[in-house]
Amino acid sequence: EVQLVESGGGLVQPGRSLRLSCAASGFTFDDYAMHWVRQAPGKGLEWVSGISWNSVSLGYADSVRGRFTVSRDNAKNSLYLQMSSLRTEDTALYYCAKGGGRYLYFHMDVWGKGTTVTVSS
Amino acid sequence: DIHMTQSPSTLSASVGDRVTITCRASQSISSWLAWYQQKPGKAPKLLIYKASSLEGGVPSRFSGSGSGTEFTLTIGSLQPDDFATYYCQQYNSYSGTFGQGTKVEIK
Repeated sequence: EVQLVESGGGLVQPGRSLRLSCAASGFTFDDYAMHWVRQAPGKGLEWVSGISWNSVSLGYADSVRGRFTVSRDNAKNSLYLQMSSLRTEDTALYYCAKGGGRYLYFHMDVWGKGTTVTVSS
Repeated sequence: DIHMTQSPSTLSASVGDRVTITCRASQSISSWLAWYQQKPGKAPKLLIYKASSLEGGVPSRFSGSGSGTEFTLTIGSLQPDDFATYYCQQYNSYSGTFGQGTKVEIK
């Protein structure tokens, strides 16, 4: 069974950092791009970042560029999101999602259940 | 950046109705568009990719069409399980922009 399990969320003060992880199983992880998508409470979906199968191509939403860094460890079947200079508007449920192919130009066909990040003083 | 606009924002319909949701892109995205369904407290679920390709396991009452800047998601005969929020998403560029969502409510 294809599965994505996010972890690392929590309560953090504005300006601090947090690292999210996503553990993948049930598919050949290094054959697919991976993405992070977030959803603020009561709001819609916002694509945050994506990374190609070989980490060569990276993409970021304007709202997080320069503050967030996506990475992956194919040997560990894991995806990461390093979040720094966190703002209250970064408060959201963060989903990990599997791309439909190796590159960023694909849909997202499998989603995790998400991990909650709350930025508050 | 490519901006995606869905309409309507909310739709009230009855079981058995044919429902259509529209998604417009601010510039051409060819057919690089997906549709997702999200129910409260759940992760989104992929329904349609490449504008009109049905994801495996998704009922055939769901269909997608369009190319360029205008796209539609159609539910042929609305079922009780279909009341949810639907999102379009473009993946023509490195930023996978979503539409703002369309909530399908029971009339």
